[in-house]
Amino acid sequence: DQQVKQNSPSLSVQEGRISILNCDYTNSMFDYFLWYKKYPAEGPTFLISISSIKDKNEDGRFTVFLNKSAKHLSLHIVPSQPGDSAVYFCAASGLGNTGNQFYFGTGTSLTVIP
Amino acid sequence: DSGVTQTPKHLITATGQRVTLRCSPRSGDLSVYWYQQSLDQGLQFLIQYYNGEERAKGNILERFSAQQFPDLHSELNLSSLELGDSALYFCASSEGNTDTQYFGPGTRLTVL
Repeated sequence: DQQVKQNSPSLSVQEGRISILNCDYTNSMFDYFLWYKKYPAEGPTFLISISSIKDKNEDGRFTVFLNKSAKHLSLHIVPSQPGDSAVYFCAASGLGNTGNQFYFGTGTSLTVIP
Repeated sequence: DSGVTQTPKHLITATGQRVTLRCSPRSGDLSVYWYQQSLDQGLQFLIQYYNGEERAKGNILERFSAQQFPDLHSELNLSSLELGDSALYFCASSEGNTDTQYFGPGTRLTVL
C-alpha cells in the first residue's frame, strides 16, 4: 500500500534551469511533509519540510509547494547545480493507530547536466 | 556526517539465522527510528522509540524486534531470516517525537 508516490523514477535537467520533483499522497491524515536527498552509500539527508497548514516553504534554492486538495507536493530547485544530482525522497507523516507514522516515496533520481 | 552511527556497515548471513543491528543517535536526540529499504522500494518505517519507550509501530514483522537502551542507543533484532529480508536498514534519530529525522549511513543485510 504505497501511500506516498513519486511517479517519476528519474529526471534530467540542465545546469542553471529549474528542477521540479513531484510527489502524490493518498492519506488526508498526513500533516507534515518532508523532502530528503540521498547520495549513494549514504543515508538520506533532510532538505526541506512543510506543515499541512502552509502551502509553500522556501529555503534558499529549494521551495516546496503543497496542494492539499490535490494531495500533491512538489520540490523546486532553482537554479539547479551539478551537486544537486542525487536521489530525492518525498516523505509524509501523520498520526495513526499505532503512533505517528512515516511514509516515504520510492525516490526520483535527479541528474543535473553541466 | 549526520552524527548518527550504525554498525555493522555490511552483514552477510544465512536463512534462518538471527542478527542484531546497532544504532547510536545524535547527541541529545531522544527518538530513534528504524527503516527498511528493499531493492527499488522506498523506505518502509518499522518502529520508533522515544527515550526508551516504544512510541510508534509501522510495518514491522513479528520476527523483528527492537529496543532502546538507557544510553539511548538502539538495536534492531531480526530473527528467522528469509531471503526477502535482504535490504538496507536505516536508523534515524530526532530530538523530540515528531521532529526532523537525521539518518545514519545504513546497514546492508544480505541473506543467502
